[in-house]
Amino acid sequence: DQQVKQNSPSLSVQEGRISILNCDYTNSMFDYFLWYKKYPAEGPTFLISISSIKDKNEDGRFTVFLNKSAKHLSLHIVPSQPGDSAVYFCAASAGDMRFGAGTRLTVKP
Amino acid sequence: SQTIHQWPATLVQPVGSPLSLECTVEGTSNPNLYWYRQAAGRGLQLLFYSVGIGQISSEVPQNLSASRPQDRQFILSSKKLLLSDSGFYLCAWSRLGLANTGELFFGEGSRLTVL
Repeated sequence: DQQVKQNSPSLSVQEGRISILNCDYTNSMFDYFLWYKKYPAEGPTFLISISSIKDKNEDGRFTVFLNKSAKHLSLHIVPSQPGDSAVYFCAASAGDMRFGAGTRLTVKP
Repeated sequence: SQTIHQWPATLVQPVGSPLSLECTVEGTSNPNLYWYRQAAGRGLQLLFYSVGIGQISSEVPQNLSASRPQDRQFILSSKKLLLSDSGFYLCAWSRLGLANTGELFFGEGSRLTVL
């Protein structure tokens, strides 16, 4: 039961441009959303989060947008840097945390 | 500061052999503990979570089991591994009481290959 979906398995972006990673969810009970970043052979690390009472949260180059009516959230990275190349997981919580399948971002120099 | 460690980092086991992955958390008490699995092409699947010593909840029926013998120790086990058990296993913790709004802190992961 995939309650959190990341439909794009991969994304390639040129350095300096914007990266947009998308995530859709089905459970309207989710009240907290997070993005995690994962490098190969390492555990994911927390990147940014947003509560369901907000529609935007910004932290430096990273901004998360939440559209509750569409059950959609996105992560914007601008400007993208080669060090941003990693797998990004979307997660949603309503007591326990559910993860999407991840999107592999490649930022080309 | 809090730290989480899991081991071994890499494991190659034959089908039918037992498994034991261990995870410990330092620098905090009464954490919620979790075991996730990342299989190829799939997201992080929650396998087990624990809110206290001896308290284990299982998310999906499977060939694996978990135990929490101490407050900050979480063990993933199997008596007989299957090929389908191959994957990247992640231990994680969160602060008690903030499980639904707090972030998860993950260990380094354990790569299991069952041959």
